[in-house]
Amino acid sequence: EAQVTQNPRYLITVTGKKLTVTCSQNMNHEYMSWYRQDPGLGLRQIYYSMNVEVTDKGDVPEGYKVSRKEKRNFPLILESPSPNQTSLYFCASSLRTGQTYEQYFGPGTRLTVT
Amino acid sequence: AQTVTQSQPEMSVQEAETVTLSCTYDTSESDYYLFWYKQPPSRQMILVIRQEAYKQQNATENRFSVNFQKAAKSFSLKISDSQLGDAAMYFCAYRSGEWGAQKLVFGQGTRLTINP
Repeated sequence: EAQVTQNPRYLITVTGKKLTVTCSQNMNHEYMSWYRQDPGLGLRQIYYSMNVEVTDKGDVPEGYKVSRKEKRNFPLILESPSPNQTSLYFCASSLRTGQTYEQYFGPGTRLTVT
Repeated sequence: AQTVTQSQPEMSVQEAETVTLSCTYDTSESDYYLFWYKQPPSRQMILVIRQEAYKQQNATENRFSVNFQKAAKSFSLKISDSQLGDAAMYFCAYRSGEWGAQKLVFGQGTRLTINP
């Protein structure tokens, strides 16, 4: 089954404790992206990757890091989480080429930073 | 930068009736794509319908249709014969038509309630 998986689905942590949210897709997609969802703001892009070893900032990259060492994986790293990073996080992937491709979203990760 | 605005934070409709969700966007591009996503309580993002800006014909997917007004930069979603399973948060989204562009710009969302 074609899918994007994220782990963990729920996470409660404390300020300053490094964490990683994993994202993996099995569709051989070149493009992967992270979004955060906040009430009243919709989803906003954090980082994206056009292919292996190619990453770039989205609209709200502060406080986050990413890496793309393998095509299927795109982890999101919070090296020193703060309460304002409490949010719902989505990973998405799609084919890079073509004009009518769809973005596939993971199930979301609910993060709470206390 | 492109922006997407959904001015209705919440909407409600009686089961079996029709409801229209509004979305406006701002862009200087002529080639782009517009989407409506549904997010049920499970939080999964589900693509409902897609519209290519170069197509004049409004997209339709079963009970879901759009009213795309390019000059007015408006992209509303009409849900006919509303069902209880349509209850969800709905997001309007924009994507540039530039080759390789993938970023989705989302609106704030509209929470739709279906009254039995």
